[in-house]
Amino acid sequence: GDSVTQMEGPVTLSEEAFLTINCTYTATGYPSLFWYVQYPGEGLQLLLKATKADDKGSNKGFEATYRKETTSFHLEKGSVQVSDSAVYFCALGADGLTFGKGTHLIIQP
Amino acid sequence: KAGVTQTPRYLIKTRGQQVTLSCSPISGHRSVSWYQQTPGQGLQFLFEYFSETQRNKGNFPGRFSGRQFSNSRSEMNVSTLELGDSALYLCASSLSGWGGVNTEAFFGQGTRLTVV
Repeated sequence: GDSVTQMEGPVTLSEEAFLTINCTYTATGYPSLFWYVQYPGEGLQLLLKATKADDKGSNKGFEATYRKETTSFHLEKGSVQVSDSAVYFCALGADGLTFGKGTHLIIQP
Repeated sequence: KAGVTQTPRYLIKTRGQQVTLSCSPISGHRSVSWYQQTPGQGLQFLFEYFSETQRNKGNFPGRFSGRQFSNSRSEMNVSTLELGDSALYLCASSLSGWGGVNTEAFFGQGTRLTVV
């Protein structure tokens, strides 16, 4: 069946550092890919998405590119802020969303 | 516009009982999906309803069931509760759900169920 693998962390970075959270997937067909974020005490929010190969999703300085050849959708940000501290979930959408386990990101000032 | 509303926010039930959770989607959204979130298993898809019909189902036992009403509101029922059913249950709504053009899902705050 479909599956998503991502680093679980916690990942601890200093403010203004470069961020990469790796995400790889296994799926039949060509699913849409998503990154969701869960801030402390809040619900899941869509961060960005890509619906086909080579699409780049971007939002709030975060980017991810749908790479069919490597079945990956890595999340990147050039300069993180303390306010980016949250749990990030990679997900693929086919018949319902299949989520990775989530990566807890901690940004220190 | 109002977001996805889940009620109640917190529930404590005894093993063997049953429970019903409610989800009101964003106005105009016809698809409602349910997810279970636990520390061990993470986020897992339960089922999706679209226009009152269950369209997709995850790998959960038959004790987990749901329905959707004509106004798109949805309920999820868990019968014969087990300790392992303790989790955060999330509801998500979207315009057309899976198979449609717009697959962006908006999540509610969740219902925290504790089984004792």
